[in-house]
Amino acid sequence: DTGVSQNPRHKITKRGQNVTFRCDPISEHNRLYWYRQTLGQGPEFLTYFQNEAQLEKSRLLSDRFSAERPKGSFSTLEIQRTEQGDSAMYLCASSSRGQGFTEAFFGQGTRLTVV
Amino acid sequence: AQSVSQHNHHVILSEAASLELGCNYSYGGTVNLFWYVQYPGQHLQLLLKYFSGDPLVKGIKGFEAEFIKSKFSFNLRKPSVQWSDTAEYFCAVINQAGTALIFGKGTTLSVSS
Repeated sequence: DTGVSQNPRHKITKRGQNVTFRCDPISEHNRLYWYRQTLGQGPEFLTYFQNEAQLEKSRLLSDRFSAERPKGSFSTLEIQRTEQGDSAMYLCASSSRGQGFTEAFFGQGTRLTVV
Repeated sequence: AQSVSQHNHHVILSEAASLELGCNYSYGGTVNLFWYVQYPGQHLQLLLKYFSGDPLVKGIKGFEAEFIKSKFSFNLRKPSVQWSDTAEYFCAVINQAGTALIFGKGTTLSVSS
C-alpha cells in the first residue's frame, strides 16, 4: 500500500502521560498536514509542513503539542501531559510537491483515548 | 475566518432515492472546494473538487456537485443512491493562505436496501 500510513492505529493512555504518533506520507509528497477529529465534527487543522519546515500552526495546537518532520519525510506528533480533552482521532494527510494545493490524501488516523 | 457549513447532520434514504447534501462556505474570494467521503472504518477519500471552469463538477461513483458563487454553495448530488454510499460526507474549502483544508462538520448518510 503506497498511501499515507499512521502508527499506531489506536492508543490508550493515562492522563498526564506523553504520547507520540507517527505519519509516513506518500513518498513523493512534500506537504504534510496534521488534523484532529472529534465525534460529530469534521477534521480540524492542526499544523502544516512543507518539506521539513513547519509553516503553519493552528491555535488549537497548544504548548503541549509538538510536531516535527526532521528530514522532510515522516512526521511525528507528540502530546505531553495528556488530558481527557485530547481524546480524538488524529489524522495525517499529504499532498504533492506541485505549486499549489491540489488534493490531500489522508491516512486512517490514530485514535487516542485518554483515561 | 473562513468556515464551511453543512446543513444536514444525518440523512436517511432508501436505495434509488436521489441525494442532495448542502454545503455553504463563508469566503467571498476565489475558492477551491472539495467533497470528501469516509466509508465506515476507512480513511477520508476525495469524491470531487472544484478549482475553476465548469461549475458542475463530476466525481467518482456517480457523484456531482454544483458551485454557485452567488449562493456561496457547493452542494453534492447523486441521482440514485446505493446501499454502498452509506458513509460520512465532508465538504471542505482551502484556507485563504492556500495551505490547508477547512472542513464542515460532516453529514452522515444512511442508505437502506
